[in-house]
Amino acid sequence: DADVTQTPRNRITKTGKRIMLECSQTKGHDRMYWYRQDPGLGLRLIYYSFDVKDINKGEISDGYSVSRQAQAKFSLSLESAIPNQTALYFCATSDPGTSGYNEQFFGPGTRLTVL
Amino acid sequence: ILNVEQSPQSLHVQEGDSTNFTCSFPSSNFYALHWYRWETAKSPEALFVMTLNGDEKKKGRISATLNTKEGYSYLYIKGSQPEDSATYLCALLSGGSYIPTFGRGTSLIVHP
Repeated sequence: DADVTQTPRNRITKTGKRIMLECSQTKGHDRMYWYRQDPGLGLRLIYYSFDVKDINKGEISDGYSVSRQAQAKFSLSLESAIPNQTALYFCATSDPGTSGYNEQFFGPGTRLTVL
Repeated sequence: ILNVEQSPQSLHVQEGDSTNFTCSFPSSNFYALHWYRWETAKSPEALFVMTLNGDEKKKGRISATLNTKEGYSYLYIKGSQPEDSATYLCALLSGGSYIPTFGRGTSLIVHP
């Protein structure tokens, strides 16, 4: 079983729609992250959370919001989707105390297309 | 925002060739550098974590070196195989932050 899961895996939506991407993990890690990947741009951090009560903006948080419902769950919302949010979205977890300098453990990704 | 550069952006080699690529980063306040391997349709997975100047890590035919004074790390693949085809990402951690900054990656394609 995958340690970090994301739902949905693929989503096509229309401009202006609200979209939620969900991430769950069974690794027991406190730290969770949302990244987006665009061709030629690498992974860029959207939001991160170091525990249930901690939420922080990343490099490109505009147009996104997050919710940390539990240690194991971290959701990303697009309040009003726009075409330039079309991208591959990754959730990741980490535990600096046990896994080598904050090594990131990634989910399988969600491919989002906004028409 | 830290500037982490990877070169080349893409690389095509023949099976059996050895190859290497570079991750460059600001040398000040270095804490650690990760190399990740990202195969198509899969998730990125960590290969190495580099922490000390002069570090050299090895896993099979893949090895990495680190120079924190001049701000670069090399990833080497000896005798490339088609299964080595992937995007290789480096991610920098600077002192005081546990948030990695990723480079744009080097896409390696190994032709049989």
